[in-house]
Amino acid sequence: EVQLVESGGGLVQPGRSLRLSCAASGFIFDNNGMNWVRQAPGKGLEWVSGISWNSGSTGYADSVKGRFTISRDNAKKSMYLQMNSLRPEDTALYYCARSRGGYVGYDAFDFWGQGTMVSVSS
Amino acid sequence: EIVLTQSPGTLSLSPGERATLSCRASQSLTSSHLAWYRKRPGQAPTLLIYSASNRATGIPDRFSGSGSGTDFTLTISRLEPEDFAVYYCQQCSRSSYTFGQGTKLEIK
Repeated sequence: EVQLVESGGGLVQPGRSLRLSCAASGFIFDNNGMNWVRQAPGKGLEWVSGISWNSGSTGYADSVKGRFTISRDNAKKSMYLQMNSLRPEDTALYYCARSRGGYVGYDAFDFWGQGTMVSVSS
Repeated sequence: EIVLTQSPGTLSLSPGERATLSCRASQSLTSSHLAWYRKRPGQAPTLLIYSASNRATGIPDRFSGSGSGTDFTLTISRLEPEDFAVYYCQQCSRSSYTFGQGTKLEIK
């Protein structure tokens, strides 16, 4: 059974940093691209970032470019999101999602975690 | 950036009725790059349709997708109680993705 479990969320002050993790199990992790998608309270879904199976390709939403960095460790079956210079508008539930294929920008997301909440406030 | 516009914003129907949801893109899409998701409160999104018309694993055949170019449709032939939720379309291109703003399907 495919499982994706996010962790690392919490309450943080504006301008500070946070690192999210996504632990994967139940599938061959290095076959698939991976992504972060967020949903702010009362809002819709927003793709944040994606990474290809071998970390050779990454993508970012304009809203986080230059502040967030995505990475993965295939040996640990894990993906990460380093979030710097956090803003109140980054407050959201952050989901980890698996791409059907191995690359970024080519395929839908077929499995999702339950999310980890990030709140940015002073 | 490609913008996806979903309509209607809210759709009020009864169980057993047919639902038709629309997703319009600001630029022409390759059909293989359009997907639909269902989002229930407190749950993670579920992939329903990928490549515009292919049902994801485990999705019942009352869900169907169609369309090409800039206009895409998700049809639910006979609404079940668990179908009342928010639906999002998604496009992928050039190493990025965008979602539509969502259509809320509510019980009439």
